[in-house]
Amino acid sequence: QSALTQPPSASGSPGQSVTISCSGTSSDLGDYNFVSWYQQHPGKAPKLMIYEVNKRPSGVPDRFSGSKSGNTASLTVSGLQAEDEADYYCSSYGGSNHLVFGGGTKLTVL
Amino acid sequence: QVQLVQSGAEVKKPGASVMVSCKASGYTFTNYYVHWVRQAPGQGLEWMGWMNPTTGDTNYAQKFQGRVTMTRLTSITTAYMELSSLRSDDTAVYYCASRGYYYAMDVWGLGTTVTVSS
Repeated sequence: QSALTQPPSASGSPGQSVTISCSGTSSDLGDYNFVSWYQQHPGKAPKLMIYEVNKRPSGVPDRFSGSKSGNTASLTVSGLQAEDEADYYCSSYGGSNHLVFGGGTKLTVL
Repeated sequence: QVQLVQSGAEVKKPGASVMVSCKASGYTFTNYYVHWVRQAPGQGLEWMGWMNPTTGDTNYAQKFQGRVTMTRLTSITTAYMELSSLRSDDTAVYYCASRGYYYAMDVWGLGTTVTVSS
């Protein structure tokens, strides 16, 4: 299975909104509503931010939201803050009891 | 508190094997699959597979089939990942992850650095 496709970088100014895309195929992301997003700061373990396309675990600010259309999922970060600067990874159930990750997007807060 | 505690860093020679452990605490170990994910230096996350702590069943990514073995010892709530025939491109941080939701893990270990070098 191939990795999901994410843009390598994204950026925005404090207070702005930024959207990161994650593209898959009709065999993985497009066929299941089990898309997740993780935030990873340098040298740290990933942190779950979104699961099942648009659900937030307890403690994740509502500035983070997820959506999906067809074979593409998106993570939107509203009201950007300095601490949002990190790498973001999407993942999706890929069928056959497999999980697939995206290549990651480095979010820079200008 | 809910946590996964991984074993320490390893340095191995090409062709050797490495075993990483992952001890769970603060939640019911047998209720959630344990996933293993690795991250090569400067690279993204790569899913290696999962292990069902209740049954011992496993499912491995095709890339690692034949080289990886995931096991557990439920009496001490610990999962293990063994990778054999190590190559230099296996140099990475290896994470265990569990709990959370369907194929979405909300508890991660801090990672174990495995360096493969002659």
